[in-house]
Amino acid sequence: GAVVSQHPSWVICKSGTSVKIECRSLDFQATTMFWYRQFPKQSLMLMATSNEGSKATYEQGVEKDKFLINHASLTLSTLTVTSAHPEDSSFYICSARDPKGTGNTIYFGEGSWLTVV
Amino acid sequence: SQKIEQNSEALNIQEGKTATLTCNYTNYSPAYLQWYRQDPGRGPVFLLLIRENEKEKRKERLKVTFDTTLKQSLFHITASQPADSATYLCALDMTGGYQKVTFGTGTKLQVIP
Repeated sequence: GAVVSQHPSWVICKSGTSVKIECRSLDFQATTMFWYRQFPKQSLMLMATSNEGSKATYEQGVEKDKFLINHASLTLSTLTVTSAHPEDSSFYICSARDPKGTGNTIYFGEGSWLTVV
Repeated sequence: SQKIEQNSEALNIQEGKTATLTCNYTNYSPAYLQWYRQDPGRGPVFLLLIRENEKEKRKERLKVTFDTTLKQSLFHITASQPADSATYLCALDMTGGYQKVTFGTGTKLQVIP
């Protein structure tokens, strides 16, 4: 079946540095990808919707200058956490919509654990 | 305001019984409703999708119902097994103008041997 790959699975960075997380759809072209953040024992919080070749649409309260999203190709979207701070430590998950079939199945990556020290 | 609520924080059930999870929503008109399974520290895994004009969908031991009048979906796991223990998330998909999927709070299911 469709697979979405996320990299890295976990990353530790120093406060003030930037971290990039990649999300790839491995066997389908995803015109739309989504980025979520999840705190322990809480549900997924949508951060932004990323459309190939255009600017991402951010949810209210999400700083677009801090969480830079680039969807340069139909199989790759990246999330860059700029000037990371300890409060940015979280589980970040991407997903991609498979346009084939019903066009409404969304597949998730395995997530990326970010720890800012 | 818009809300998606799933029943209780945790559901404990004896192995072999049928687990029933609830998803209620308000102030949404979803075109699709989806159910996902999430294990600790992992990304959600897609299980089933049901359209607004469908009443019921089945897949192996899983069954989903969708009542747009009640604004509710029920997710059933028959002959539950300890391996079914996980958090189950419902998600509303407003495709048809909207692109995003909104998730419920999730229900943690524990199947006791």
